[in-house]
Amino acid sequence: QSALTQPRSVSGSPGQSVTISCTGTSSDVGGYNYVSWYQQHPGKAPKLIISDVSKRPSGVPDRFSGSKSDNTASLTISGLQAEDEADYYCCSYAGTYTLVFGGGTKLTVL
Amino acid sequence: EVQLVQSGAEVKKPEEFLRISCKGSGYSFTGYWIGWVRQMPGKGLEWMGAIYPGDSDTRYSPSFQGQVTMSADKSISTAYLQWSSLRVSDSAMFYCARLLRGEYLDYWGQGTLVTVSS
Repeated sequence: QSALTQPRSVSGSPGQSVTISCTGTSSDVGGYNYVSWYQQHPGKAPKLIISDVSKRPSGVPDRFSGSKSDNTASLTISGLQAEDEADYYCCSYAGTYTLVFGGGTKLTVL
Repeated sequence: EVQLVQSGAEVKKPEEFLRISCKGSGYSFTGYWIGWVRQMPGKGLEWMGAIYPGDSDTRYSPSFQGQVTMSADKSISTAYLQWSSLRVSDSAMFYCARLLRGEYLDYWGQGTLVTVSS
């Protein structure tokens, strides 16, 4: 199972919107509506911010949204805040109790 | 409150045995799969596999099959990840996380840093 493809880095100014893409195949992203996204600040454990392509767990700001088209999922962060600076990982279901992660994207808030 | 608490950092030598732990609380430990994720220094997240503490059913990622062993003791709500003979290349941070419906990881442990060096 190959890792999903994410841009290595993205950046934006406070208040702007950024979108992080996550490209897989028909065996993972394209085959199921089970894409999740995780935020990881330096030295911290990852935190779930999106499940099932577009669902936000309780407590996650609605500035975070997810979508999917064919084999590519996307995470959009609107109204960027300094605290959003972190690494972001997409993840897809790829079969029974099998997950595959993206390589991660470093978000810099300018 | 759902919590996963992992054992502390380890420093080991090559070829040594190691078992790290992940203790769950605040939910029915036997009713959810526990997944393990590796993060090598400065790198991304990698799926290692998962175990169902209810019956110890285990599914390994092909990349980790035969390299590690996952186990669980449901009597103490604890999952384990072990190496029979460590390699320097096993140095990494390891996270356990609760796997919901086999689809995503909703609660994560704080991570266990494993350092293997001669």
